[in-house]
Amino acid sequence: DAGITQSPRHKVTETGTPVTLRCHQTENHRYMYWYRQDPGHGLRLIHYSYGVKDTDKGEVSDGYSVSRSKTEDFLLTLESATSSQTSVYFCAISEYFVDTLSGLSSYEQYFGPGTRLTVT
Amino acid sequence: ILNVEQSPQSLHVQEGDSTNFTCSFPSSNFYALHWYRWETAKSPEALFVMTLNGDEKKKGRISATLNTKEGYSYLYIKGSQPEDSATYLCASQYNFNKFYFGSGTKLNVKP
Repeated sequence: DAGITQSPRHKVTETGTPVTLRCHQTENHRYMYWYRQDPGHGLRLIHYSYGVKDTDKGEVSDGYSVSRSKTEDFLLTLESATSSQTSVYFCAISEYFVDTLSGLSSYEQYFGPGTRLTVT
Repeated sequence: ILNVEQSPQSLHVQEGDSTNFTCSFPSSNFYALHWYRWETAKSPEALFVMTLNGDEKKKGRISATLNTKEGYSYLYIKGSQPEDSATYLCASQYNFNKFYFGSGTKLNVKP
């Protein structure tokens, strides 16, 4: 599981309240990601980080902000939660590896267990 | 936003049938193609990473091919078993380590 944990695992909140989800990794990975999973959409990238204090927007970043003040933690904040943000949120890291057969290098993604957020 | 498409959306097969799914992706600035297996209530698990045109990867009864020139990848399952039932996701990787996922193919294998 690449040492990735997410907290909380489940949360129910009311429209208009702020919510922060935490992703924690223990293996010093440089790249971290936040995705949301919705029926018919697979996984959609919200924000990602390529280092401490280095973040960028993904395809569905509106209404979300992120922070990465240290390597191991990547926080996703919903400033004012809306019902459309009800979803399952997955954190991921990407890890550099070299294929032993071909000698080619690439990155592999590993995912956290997910956080189910319900906005009522 | 890059459009990665998977087909079919869902598939129902009998145990022992062989099946295949398609993932199509924009080939400009392509870096790698990833396949994941995703069981309900779990996290996606990596199956294959492919980078070169013509790449073929195999793991047991599951194999995958890659065509980067025309922008597609196939995933094959030979002799499907009920435990193969899952959603199979593909993701195309581009510059700056960004991944774009398809919506998945949901496979149901009936005993």
